[in-house]
Amino acid sequence: DVKVTQSSRYLVKRTGEKVFLECVQDMDHENMFWYRQDPGLGLRLIYFSYDVKMKEKGDIPEGYSVSREKKERFSLILESASTNQTSMYLCASSPHSGDGFGNEQFFGPGTRLTVL
Amino acid sequence: GESVGLHLPTLSVQEGDNSIINCAYSNSASDYFIWYKQESGKGPQFIIDIRSNMDKRQGQRVTVLLNKTVKHLSLQIAATQPGDSAVYFCAEMPLMNSGYSTLTFGKGTMLLVSP
Repeated sequence: DVKVTQSSRYLVKRTGEKVFLECVQDMDHENMFWYRQDPGLGLRLIYFSYDVKMKEKGDIPEGYSVSREKKERFSLILESASTNQTSMYLCASSPHSGDGFGNEQFFGPGTRLTVL
Repeated sequence: GESVGLHLPTLSVQEGDNSIINCAYSNSASDYFIWYKQESGKGPQFIIDIRSNMDKRQGQRVTVLLNKTVKHLSLQIAATQPGDSAVYFCAEMPLMNSGYSTLTFGKGTMLLVSP
């Protein structure tokens, strides 16, 4: 079974703090993703990575950065947390597609971050 | 805590009924579609997917129908059970001719199954 794990289920931080959210997958997937999920807005893509040390901006990258030093690990960084970054953060991974069609993304359980 | 189900369209059914959840997508270039189920406090779980060269695909108790002419996707759940209560998301992705494509998710539909 594919397993995507996230370092924390719940996190409470203060405005201005630097926050690290860690994600690890155990299926040797090339692609990894970070989303945030807010009521009424669905899942919105923050950043993704298709290879080690590679990253691409998603739809809402402002205020975030990412790091992919190892294939199995993808970190989301909030340089200076703000209250509007209070949200559920979901990590996902997927393999490269061999035929151009999309692939299922496997999700972690999520981290609920509250910024006070 | 807040639920992802707030502000979502809701479908309420009785146990044993068949459920149909609909999704309109916007990108005519989308070639891959997927349905996810998200239970409270958990990450989304894969249900079923379909490629644009098909118009129907069946799984265990679930069927996905794709109508590319009107850009419409539906998920049918047979003999709905209380354990099916969750938020259901559709997602679309264009064919990756070059570069990388990503999934675009719908806002979700909450399914409530009463015994």
